[in-house]
Amino acid sequence: EAEVAQSPRYKITEKSQAVAFWCDPISGHATLYWYRQILGQGPELLVQFQDESVVDDSQLPKDRFSAERLKGVDSTLKIQPAELGDSAMYLCASSPSADAYNEQFFGPGTRLTVL
Amino acid sequence: GQNIDQPTEMTATEGAIVQINCTYQTSGFNGLFWYQQHAGEAPTFLSYNVLDGLEEKGRFSSFLSRSKGYSYLLLKELQMKDSASYLCAVTDSNYQLIWGAGTKLIIKP
Repeated sequence: EAEVAQSPRYKITEKSQAVAFWCDPISGHATLYWYRQILGQGPELLVQFQDESVVDDSQLPKDRFSAERLKGVDSTLKIQPAELGDSAMYLCASSPSADAYNEQFFGPGTRLTVL
Repeated sequence: GQNIDQPTEMTATEGAIVQINCTYQTSGFNGLFWYQQHAGEAPTFLSYNVLDGLEEKGRFSSFLSRSKGYSYLLLKELQMKDSASYLCAVTDSNYQLIWGAGTKLIIKP
């Protein structure tokens, strides 16, 4: 069964350092999402791609966060510099398209701890 | 503003039935999702409702009333493995998915 892959699964870093997360969506899925989820809360959308184009990055803290999906397949989310408040689960999800009825398939997530 | 409300936590007994409610106020409506999320894991899809009424899928059912901005997830014959958080999410008029904070369901023997 096809799955969304993410790495690393866990990352511990010190504040002011740079971190990067990788996501490989299900093959053929045009839409890719990066979410941040704080314990006890729902996922918060950071950025949405349609193929290689950014559709929505309104909640992405652009002074420190960046995301790319150069060939419209896998994607990288970067934080530089990391801050204590960035500690959270970072989830990647994909769907065949951005149509309303499409469920999103989530990867296992990257648990980030900033010390 | 856009808002989705769910109870923070619920407790139920193994073998029983539990109903998790979700009310929403969003800019438009293009469907409502329920996801299950076990602790430390990613959300997994449970159901999608876009028309009023009840959708049944095995032990899980989901109900929607668009006029009331209301949905519920019904879990029957509860098992210990059903202990998880249940997330309600609504697709708004811009096709953005608005997430609730989730309901933590605790199942007791």
